[in-house]
Amino acid sequence: QKEVEQDPGPLSVPEGAIVSLNCTYSNSAFQYFMWYRQYSRKGPELLMYTYSSGNKEDGRFTAQVDKSSKYISLFIRDSQPSDSATYLCAMSAGNAGNMLTFGGGTRLMVKP
Amino acid sequence: GAGVSQSPRYKVAKRGQDVALRCDPISGHVSLFWYQQALGQGPEFLTYFQNEAQLDKSGLPSDRFFAERPEGSVSTLKIQRTQQEDSAVYLCASSPGPGVVYEQYFGPGTRLTVT
Repeated sequence: QKEVEQDPGPLSVPEGAIVSLNCTYSNSAFQYFMWYRQYSRKGPELLMYTYSSGNKEDGRFTAQVDKSSKYISLFIRDSQPSDSATYLCAMSAGNAGNMLTFGGGTRLMVKP
Repeated sequence: GAGVSQSPRYKVAKRGQDVALRCDPISGHVSLFWYQQALGQGPEFLTYFQNEAQLDKSGLPSDRFFAERPEGSVSTLKIQRTQQEDSAVYLCASSPGPGVVYEQYFGPGTRLTVT
């Protein structure tokens, strides 16, 4: 079983919908939680990061971390067709190497 | 400013050939990472450099994979005697320093196809 699990989708929603993306993890050492967006044939682009538990909001995006449940979420409000991409969660224990452990990604399609 | 660049963007190799993939990180970035992304999967860590020192190579899948960053800037990932299972996108990421966990900036990747 992988350290970080993510539903691959695809998730198809109409424009304007609220989108909920989720990851679960097994390694309790993870302290930093990131969400990346990856368009086709592009590299991942950092959307948001959270340290430890709690919520963080940035525009239409809200990230939530529940360390007690080992569960993180990304909410997208008022979704737009331009949000259509693969969303990757990533985590790190924050030690010297700072390597990221990624989920498999969820493909999101927002239809006009 | 310029982001992370990688070359070539696409590489087709016959099984058994050696390949070299180049990464130009953001100027001044101390930390450099290589990841491998198989089709439909998330990136998986390969190796990590702090300046010219390779501090972690635990993710390299076999001794056919070798990475270097001799002057602490440009890095090269070399794969010897390529196999079909090496087909993937190879991503390079750079970061200002080891204390900034969340600031990893990714390049566009090199898509390697082994035939």
